[in-house]
Amino acid sequence: DTEVTQTPKHLVMGMTNKKSLKCEQHMGHRAMYWYKQKAKKPPELMFVYSYEKLSINESVPSRFSPECPNSSLLNLHLHALQPEDSALYLCASSPTSGKKDTQYFGPGTRLTVL
Amino acid sequence: GQQLNQSPQSMFIQEGEDVSMNCTSSSIFNTWLWYKQDPGEGPVLLIALYKAGELTSNGRLTAQFGITRKDSFLNISASIPSDVGIYFCAGPTGTASKLTFGTGTRLQVTL
Repeated sequence: DTEVTQTPKHLVMGMTNKKSLKCEQHMGHRAMYWYKQKAKKPPELMFVYSYEKLSINESVPSRFSPECPNSSLLNLHLHALQPEDSALYLCASSPTSGKKDTQYFGPGTRLTVL
Repeated sequence: GQQLNQSPQSMFIQEGEDVSMNCTSSSIFNTWLWYKQDPGEGPVLLIALYKAGELTSNGRLTAQFGITRKDSFLNISASIPSDVGIYFCAGPTGTASKLTFGTGTRLQVTL
């Protein structure tokens, strides 16, 4: 199994809603990532988890709250988002967080904030 | 922060043509990655390069790690319609986990 899965594929939410994005991998990878991608732009790193511990937070607003319940799962909890947070949210994983470890991406969740 | 600039920004080519694109940086990279992204999907890894001067192929795709370690090149031979998409170069920067993506090259293939 060389796949990273993400649910849901699409999500529409209001600014007062609370929702969660989910990511799962069964490759035994110990590093997992959240990226945000706006239209016609490259992905931008948000968070990195290494061995289930948060190792990098790229100054992401607190309305985005990541969680890594175990080595296979990564969640992104969303609360009080703004319309400018609408984007494609990508999850990725790699064997470890080493420089030579290739990151494999999921298909993304297309988020629209109304 | 470090920036990766890709050129061309977009290309319109005919099926069967060869394609060349490149990625340049103002600083040295020790790893170069090439990804392809289809609309509404996540990036898919095409080729990974780990050594200056390295030339690696994956089917019709060939990528090279520039000897200055500040650039990389991707060639696609005999393009087909499914080659349509955005091609990103990427490399780890700063701490090990941070992957910086290039600006992307959008490829359109006409029949």
